[in-house]
Amino acid sequence: QKEVEQDPGPLSVPEGAIVSLNCTYSNSAFQYFMWYRQYSRKGPELLMYTYSSGNKEDGRFTAQVDKSSKYISLFIRDSQPSDSATYLCAIGGPGGADGLTFGKGTHLIIQP
Amino acid sequence: DAGVIQSPRHEVTEMGQEVTLRCKPISGHDYLFWYRQTMMRGLELLIYFNNNVPIDDSGMPEDRFSAKMPNASFSTLKIQPSEPRDSAVYFCASRRESGANVLTFGAGSRLTVL
Repeated sequence: QKEVEQDPGPLSVPEGAIVSLNCTYSNSAFQYFMWYRQYSRKGPELLMYTYSSGNKEDGRFTAQVDKSSKYISLFIRDSQPSDSATYLCAIGGPGGADGLTFGKGTHLIIQP
Repeated sequence: DAGVIQSPRHEVTEMGQEVTLRCKPISGHDYLFWYRQTMMRGLELLIYFNNNVPIDDSGMPEDRFSAKMPNASFSTLKIQPSEPRDSAVYFCASRRESGANVLTFGAGSRLTVL
């Protein structure tokens, strides 16, 4: 089993829909949970991060972590065509020094 | 802040040639990471440095790959000799020692080996 599993999609939804993106992970020692957004031909950029468990909200974006299920989610409300991108979950260990382990990314398409 | 700067942005070379990718991390960042991204395998960590010292190179696929960080503002990833299966996008990322484990990525170097 890979350390981080993520459905590659593509996921296509109409503008204005609520989007749910998810990852599962296997190592319970992970403490940092992040979502990166990557536009075509660009580097990943940090969207949100949480430490340990719980929810975090930033505008139209909400990140959730369920450590008991080893499951993380990103919700996008009122989705816009500009949200079309690849979304990568990333997970880091307790010390943070070993870099991040990434999911393969979900390709999201918001149809105008 | 100019962010993480990588060069070249695109490289096309023939099998057997030497390839050198370059990275300038964000000033003040103590950690530097090299990742490789392919459709099949996603983002894979190759090697990372802390204060210019290589800490973990277990992700480097073969001896053909080597990385150096001669000073705090410059790192190179070298492939010699290159092979078609090395074709990928190579990303450099950096972060501070303190604070959250948040990486800032460069724009990447797209390598095509013919």
